Amino acid sequence: AAGVIQSPRHLIKEKRETATLKCYPIPRHDTVYWYQQGPGQDPQFLISFYEKMQSDKGSIPDRFSAQQFSDYHSELNMSSLELGDSALYFCASSPLGAGVQEQYFGPGTRLTVT
Amino acid sequence: GIQVEQSPPDLILQEGANSTLRCNFSDSVNNLQWFHQNPWGQLINLFYIPSGTKQNGRLSATTVATERYSLLYISSSQTTDSGVYFCAVTFDNYGQNFVFGPGTRLSVLP
Repeated sequence: AAGVIQSPRHLIKEKRETATLKCYPIPRHDTVYWYQQGPGQDPQFLISFYEKMQSDKGSIPDRFSAQQFSDYHSELNMSSLELGDSALYFCASSPLGAGVQEQYFGPGTRLTVT
Repeated sequence: GIQVEQSPPDLILQEGANSTLRCNFSDSVNNLQWFHQNPWGQLINLFYIPSGTKQNGRLSATTVATERYSLLYISSSQTTDSGVYFCAVTFDNYGQNFVFGPGTRLSVLP
């Protein structure tokens, strides 16, 4: 069965650079969630989209922005990167419009800021 | 405020032993999932269990939503069960995003 795809899987950036993370949800899933997991921490919710509209917002820094496109894939844009942005970034999807709330997680993107 | 607690924080077992991991949550929930994070960082979905009991091989889970807790049982543990186990919930009236517990770090020794 198809799973959530994230790219790239690993990314190394320097401070003050920008980064773009991509997420391709499971086909026919209308909702995408982004989570950030710092070293030794539990994942924290950043932002979500339902049918291409932002639905919920968590602890996402103003330097980050995200959107969901017409094909339902989503991109997380991160600017002015800081050392503290080094983390695992997970994308999850669900067919929320069909009343199914189970979230399916991608393999994550490991971002290292040097 | 809303919160998710997990116990114990750390657990060390000999291969073949059984264990029970607990997740407590502070308010009513509409979704609860258990995850295993392997050493490579991947979050493996174990159970989608907002209520009731489910079993999958050596693993089973029970959620008693009215009493605000869930249990994950691991029987005949294997070294490959090592890693961090997270409970994640979505609370009623707080959106559809997950709130994760702090995790239980399990080490299974050969």
